Amino acid sequence: SQKIEQNSEALNIQEGKTATLTCNYTNYSPAYLQWYRQDPGRGPVFLLLIRENEKEKRKERLKVTFDTTLKQSLFHITASQPADSATYLCARDNFNKFYFGSGTKLNVKP
Amino acid sequence: NAGVTQTPKFQVLKTGQSMTLQCAQDMNHNSMYWYRQDPGMGLRLIYYSASEGTTDKGEVPNGYNVSRLNKREFSLRLESAAPSQTSVYFCASSETVTNTEAFFGQGTRLTVV
Repeated sequence: SQKIEQNSEALNIQEGKTATLTCNYTNYSPAYLQWYRQDPGRGPVFLLLIRENEKEKRKERLKVTFDTTLKQSLFHITASQPADSATYLCARDNFNKFYFGSGTKLNVKP
Repeated sequence: NAGVTQTPKFQVLKTGQSMTLQCAQDMNHNSMYWYRQDPGMGLRLIYYSASEGTTDKGEVPNGYNVSRLNKREFSLRLESAAPSQTSVYFCASSETVTNTEAFFGQGTRLTVV
């Protein structure tokens, strides 16, 4: 099966710092990876999509990279704020389906 | 714009009871999905419908059935609920199955006692 692995340990950082979350995948490279944000009691919300042939994608304070050699995607939030505290999910495509990782909880302390 | 609407939001069932979770989207999306989310397990795909008239199994289909009633609606049925099906269920939709973002409903918290 095509697995997506994210660090299950929470990431605690200080406000203003850059948060970096990791998503590793197994087997063949997906055509694209997606990142979502999930707040407690709510459904995931789409943030960014990066295709296999794109090395980097940016949106405001968010940046995603896609390294097919390392089989890894990194998700960065610059100038983090307490409002960025949430669980972040990575998802990959696999033959007409999305598969999600278990998510990494980010805590941004003021 | 409602997006993806799921009903009910909460449900308690006794073991062996049946129920149907309803999902509707108003974005004219072709593809719809049902996921379950358990602590530490992330989102696991139960069934999906790539387009109206088609349904396929995901990672964890056992104990569930689905119906793509029309382009807007995709329901999930538990025929004989078991405690192992206690979970939060999310419906999602996307324009197509590939290369597009998914929009999620607010979830249904189901407890089977």
